[in-house]
Amino acid sequence: DTAVSQTPKYLVTQMGNDKSIKCEQNLGHDTMYWYKQDSKKFLKIMFSYNNKELIINETVPNRFSPKSPDKAHLNLHINSLELGDSAVYFCASRDADTQYFGPGTRLTVL
Amino acid sequence: AQSVAQPEDQVNVAEGNPLTVKCTYSVSGNPYLFWYVQYPNRGLQFLLKYITGDNLVKGSYGFEAEFNKSQTSFHLKKPSALVSDSALYFCAVRDMANTPLVFGKGTRLSVIA
Repeated sequence: DTAVSQTPKYLVTQMGNDKSIKCEQNLGHDTMYWYKQDSKKFLKIMFSYNNKELIINETVPNRFSPKSPDKAHLNLHINSLELGDSAVYFCASRDADTQYFGPGTRLTVL
Repeated sequence: AQSVAQPEDQVNVAEGNPLTVKCTYSVSGNPYLFWYVQYPNRGLQFLLKYITGDNLVKGSYGFEAEFNKSQTSFHLKKPSALVSDSALYFCAVRDMANTPLVFGKGTRLSVIA
């Protein structure tokens, strides 16, 4: 009965690889987000989706591509991974006011 | 554009003492203000929010926060700290209903037994 779930929890990969992170919410929310938390714990918005449509795309390299197959899912695909992509990625969904976060995916690029 | 400042990187408090974690904000319209807590290797947990109404809002785990419009502040407080409150606390703001949250840099709270 987890509200916002992400898989995998940990992801270790080599530079240049392509990887995906999956996010699902069972809260019935229309709006979902991807945030990046760097090594200094700064949290920055990457993407915002409302009812499967991209609303906000912050200054993120086009190697990052979100996909929303339905409003309960927002996946993040990353091409040609770089060392600087190492971070914790959080998915979130929002009701009328409040954002609820997933447990995070720690991505390590070697 | 909205922004949040958390002036303290670290706050240390003895168990049983009151705690305050500071937050100031800047928005162009009416603020929607939030506090989240992050325990080690965990996601962000929602603590409390101010949207409208009473300036003092109460949240989870005995935390409360006071909205002060003139000082543009939203400080987090708890009357009696517990060791288990030790974590990273984030203040966040947005100015319209459909914009994503903008987070402060976080304040690490350490409660010492």
